[in-house]
Amino acid sequence: EAGVAQSPRYKIIEKRQSVAFWCNPISGHATLYWYQQILGQGPKLLIQFQNNGVVDDSQLPKDRFSAERLKGVDSTLKIQPAKLEDSAVYLCASSNPWRGSSYNEQFFGPGTRLTVL
Amino acid sequence: GNSVTQMEGPVTLSEEAFLTINCTYTATGYPSLFWYVQYPGEGLQLLLKATKADDKGSNKGFEATYRKETTSFHLEKGSVQVSDSAVYFCALSTFTGGGNKLTFGTGTQLKVEL
Repeated sequence: EAGVAQSPRYKIIEKRQSVAFWCNPISGHATLYWYQQILGQGPKLLIQFQNNGVVDDSQLPKDRFSAERLKGVDSTLKIQPAKLEDSAVYLCASSNPWRGSSYNEQFFGPGTRLTVL
Repeated sequence: GNSVTQMEGPVTLSEEAFLTINCTYTATGYPSLFWYVQYPGEGLQLLLKATKADDKGSNKGFEATYRKETTSFHLEKGSVQVSDSAVYFCALSTFTGGGNKLTFGTGTQLKVEL
């Protein structure tokens, strides 16, 4: 079974430029997550989708970050314009919700390392 | 709100040494607890989990017991190998309407030397 795919793996941009990251979840996984992992910190949830609807975007800086999940499969995370403090690894994860279960495992992609100069 | 506190690294051990990485949590309700591992250049992988008090999660020689009375979930391994060198994240999960929300600790880097 193929895992969560992300691209690009690395991106270097200058501040005030725009950047987009792509994620392809595991086939059949209805829930998709984007996390931001700043160096030396644990991942922080930015946004959670259930199919193509947003479940939680409370920690997404909406003035510069946006995300979409068209057709409930692939997702794109965009930053416009980027700031120095956006330098981080952006992780995508997916899971397959199961009604009645107290937990469904999240499977993580390899991440995109963003450097903002 | 929910939070996870884990011991700072890096932790450097000799091969075959005993490993303990401390983790404590604060949460409302009854969270599930996890240890994730991140090997160099790879994504996060679930190492083990425990979903209720007194449960013991185990995998690849690693163990952790869900201690509700001390709000802890310490990771242990009796004999580490060089291949265990990685960053280890403690996390908790609370179920929301749309799925599980993970809250991570800051991670502990483990270096195992020959």
